[in-house]
Amino acid sequence: RKEVEQDPGPFNVPEGATVAFNCTYSNSASQSFFWYRQDCRKEPKLLMSVYSSGNEDGRFTAQLNRASQYISLLIRDSKLSDSATYLCVVISSGAGSYQLTFGKGTKLSVIP
Amino acid sequence: DTEVTQTPKHLVMGMTNKKSLKCEQHMGHRAMYWYKQKAKKPPELMFVYSYEKLSINESVPSRFSPECPNSSLLNLHLHALQPEDSALYLCASSPFGSGANVLTFGAGSRLTVL
Repeated sequence: RKEVEQDPGPFNVPEGATVAFNCTYSNSASQSFFWYRQDCRKEPKLLMSVYSSGNEDGRFTAQLNRASQYISLLIRDSKLSDSATYLCVVISSGAGSYQLTFGKGTKLSVIP
Repeated sequence: DTEVTQTPKHLVMGMTNKKSLKCEQHMGHRAMYWYKQKAKKPPELMFVYSYEKLSINESVPSRFSPECPNSSLLNLHLHALQPEDSALYLCASSPFGSGANVLTFGAGSRLTVL
């Protein structure tokens, strides 16, 4: 089983739709979780951290489910500008060091 | 504007050339990273410098040579590269050396090896 898995998509949704992505992780000792957004031919940029209690930033909601070992990202009222690849990042610790693992990314296309 | 600055933005080099990629941050971050990203793939970690010391080398070929002259600068020296090394090279930094914290990426240097 891969350490961090994401559905690669693409997810093609109309403007105004609600879309959700999941990201599963295999290491139950994983500690920190993030969603990054990467536009075509640009660098990844932090979208939001994911907290145990869940967190919301405008149209974006991130959730963590430790029991089932996945994080999710919900985007409401999709905009054309939301089109991008969404990368989940999981940080795990072990043997005195931290390991940061990227998922392969989920591509979202918001269509007019 | 990104707070991690990478130069050059684009680089084309032959297999016998020697070139360098440069990265600079002035956020006081104590960890700096080099990642390689191929099209439609996630970034792959190459090197980590923590408190100006090389802490992680992910079995990168010796034709890639990192250097951290000070806490704000990170270089990647390139020599005798192969066409398959063509990729986007991303520099990143994080506040602490432990790695358990948020990465800020530079805009990347797009490398083409002929």
